[in-house]
Amino acid sequence: RKEVEQDPGPFNVPEGATVAFNCTYSNSASQSFFWYRQDCRKEPKLLMSVYSSGNEDGRFTAQLNRASQYISLLIRDSKLSDSATYLCVVIYTGGFKTIFGAGTRLFVKA
Amino acid sequence: EPEVTQTPSHQVTQMGQEVILRCVPISNHLYFYWYRQILGQKVEFLVSFYNNEISEKSEIFDDQFSVERPDGSNFTLKIRSTKLEDSAMYFCATKDREGYGYTFGSGTRLTVV
Repeated sequence: RKEVEQDPGPFNVPEGATVAFNCTYSNSASQSFFWYRQDCRKEPKLLMSVYSSGNEDGRFTAQLNRASQYISLLIRDSKLSDSATYLCVVIYTGGFKTIFGAGTRLFVKA
Repeated sequence: EPEVTQTPSHQVTQMGQEVILRCVPISNHLYFYWYRQILGQKVEFLVSFYNNEISEKSEIFDDQFSVERPDGSNFTLKIRSTKLEDSAMYFCATKDREGYGYTFGSGTRLTVV
């Protein structure tokens, strides 16, 4: 089983749609969780941290379920500019080793 | 907004040659990392560096690779005797404290021919 698994997609959605991504992780020693966004041939950029209590940043909501070992990202009112690959990132206890998911591709169409 | 700066942006080298990739972290950051991404594949952790020493490294980071912070500002990745399969985008990332997300540099595209 992969350490961090994501549905690769692609997700093709119209502007204004709500879309949700899930990510599962296998190591219960995982400590910190993030969503990053990566545009084609660019560096990953931090989108948001993920907490057990859930957190929201504008149209984006992230959630962590430690018992089931998954994290989620919800994007509301999708914009064309949301088209990118969304990377789930897990950092192990100790704060050093980091595992990236392979990413979920999102295409938002007009 | 503070940036992580990487040089060069693109390097072409012959198989068997040594390359040094450079990174200038954000000034108050204490944790430094190298990642690589082979074209079309996922981002892979190579090594983390904290308090002037390697804190964690992956299976990829073998004796061919080394890191150092020679002058307290630059953070370098050296790849000795490059192989064709070392061709990838190499990202430097830094952060200022545990539990926080990283800031990535724009990467160095290494092409080994």
